[in-house]
Amino acid sequence: DQQVKQNSPSLSVQEGRISILNCDYTNSMFDYFLWYKKYPAEGPTFLISISSIKDKNEDGRFTVFLNKSAKHLSLHIVPSQPGDSAVYFCAASSNTGNQFYFGTGTSLTVIP
Amino acid sequence: GAGVSQSPSNKVTEKGKDVELRCDPISGHTALYWYRQSLGQGLEFLIYFQGNSAPDKSGLPSDRFSAERTGGSVSTLTIQRTQQEDSAVYLCASSSPDRWDQPQHFGDGTRLSIL
Repeated sequence: DQQVKQNSPSLSVQEGRISILNCDYTNSMFDYFLWYKKYPAEGPTFLISISSIKDKNEDGRFTVFLNKSAKHLSLHIVPSQPGDSAVYFCAASSNTGNQFYFGTGTSLTVIP
Repeated sequence: GAGVSQSPSNKVTEKGKDVELRCDPISGHTALYWYRQSLGQGLEFLIYFQGNSAPDKSGLPSDRFSAERTGGSVSTLTIQRTQQEDSAVYLCASSSPDRWDQPQHFGDGTRLSIL
């Protein structure tokens, strides 16, 4: 069963506009959430994280929002740049387990 | 380098052969994970090592898959009698043991193709 879901396999955005990538999870025990970015032929690289005690974490152009009641998190990229074109994975874990659960990814294309 | 290193980067082999995939984690990282990403899929957890504790093997898909971690550092993932459905990118990641809520650092993966 997929405990972390990214329902949009792809997203296209114009350069300079906002990109919003969404992620839903089912396990209420998750309390640490991450976003990774992946270019072709490379491993995922860590982008930004948020713990369940917060509802927002910001790092430059990247902001992650967490809505625990809805079991939903989103990644906002503003302004979007062509170099942001990549596959974005969300992941979740809990302090009671060893595993990180990953979504299936959203391929973002930023159009110049 | 300072990152997670995986070898080989690509491996093509015939069905039925055994393969070994290697992972060198970041120095000082005692937590090590193996994942598999099949075409169009997310990252599938395979196995987790933490220091000298018994590994969490709950994600291994069959008894043809095994992994070792020698000396708490280098890890080898072995797939015996490979099948075509084993074709995937195998990713290794390591993380710092200081806190449980630390991000993982990934290698670039081994792309395994079974003919």
